[in-house]
Amino acid sequence: DTGVSQDPRHKITKRGQNVTFRCDPISEHNRLYWYRQTLGQGPEFLTYFQNEAQLEKSRLLSDRFSAERPKGSFSTLEIQRTEQGDSAMYLCASSFYELNYGYTFGSGTRLTVV
Amino acid sequence: QKEVEQNSGPLSVPEGAIASLNCTYSDRGSQSFFWYRQYSGKSPELIMSIYSNGDKEDGRFTAQLNKASQYVSLLIRDSQPSDSATYLCAVNRMIKAAGNKLTFGGGTRVLVKP
Repeated sequence: DTGVSQDPRHKITKRGQNVTFRCDPISEHNRLYWYRQTLGQGPEFLTYFQNEAQLEKSRLLSDRFSAERPKGSFSTLEIQRTEQGDSAMYLCASSFYELNYGYTFGSGTRLTVV
Repeated sequence: QKEVEQNSGPLSVPEGAIASLNCTYSDRGSQSFFWYRQYSGKSPELIMSIYSNGDKEDGRFTAQLNKASQYVSLLIRDSQPSDSATYLCAVNRMIKAAGNKLTFGGGTRVLVKP
């Protein structure tokens, strides 16, 4: 386990379909974060977990978005009834409890809604 | 006012010169500061962290922090074409009772010309 793993790397979906992304964090890290990044912008916070508890959700996370981390290990991010505005890079990151070491990001999932 | 602000660039520097990137933040309670490098189509990669006022050097990179002015900067000495990327400033904003997270600026695009 050398890093944060995200699957799939790319996803093309039709508007209105549901999609699910998976993130496997670094095993020693107890925090897991989801961010969204659109072209030319910095990553925007969506939600984060400490172990299996979801501690914060951004206003950006509408009711079409849901995230889980059922056993405090991997996490899933689901988007229901996708819209073209959901097209973005979805980034997962993990960290230790103390943020002084920063995050380690996964490779991201590029979502294109057509 | 954005929470973390950066000049979007592009910042064009000749090979071998010093690239100077700036970042300002709005939350005086911010405690940790990070610089990430992001190549086009890739995920962010942590290159520097700084927590105390002053300078911190790591190879060709120097981070500078001035909490009184709410300002953090990154210097890249002897710039190489491989340094061409977007540099993201990230700030740890303590969230009461629920832990903390990183807030990112929009990034500064750097172009190093041979």
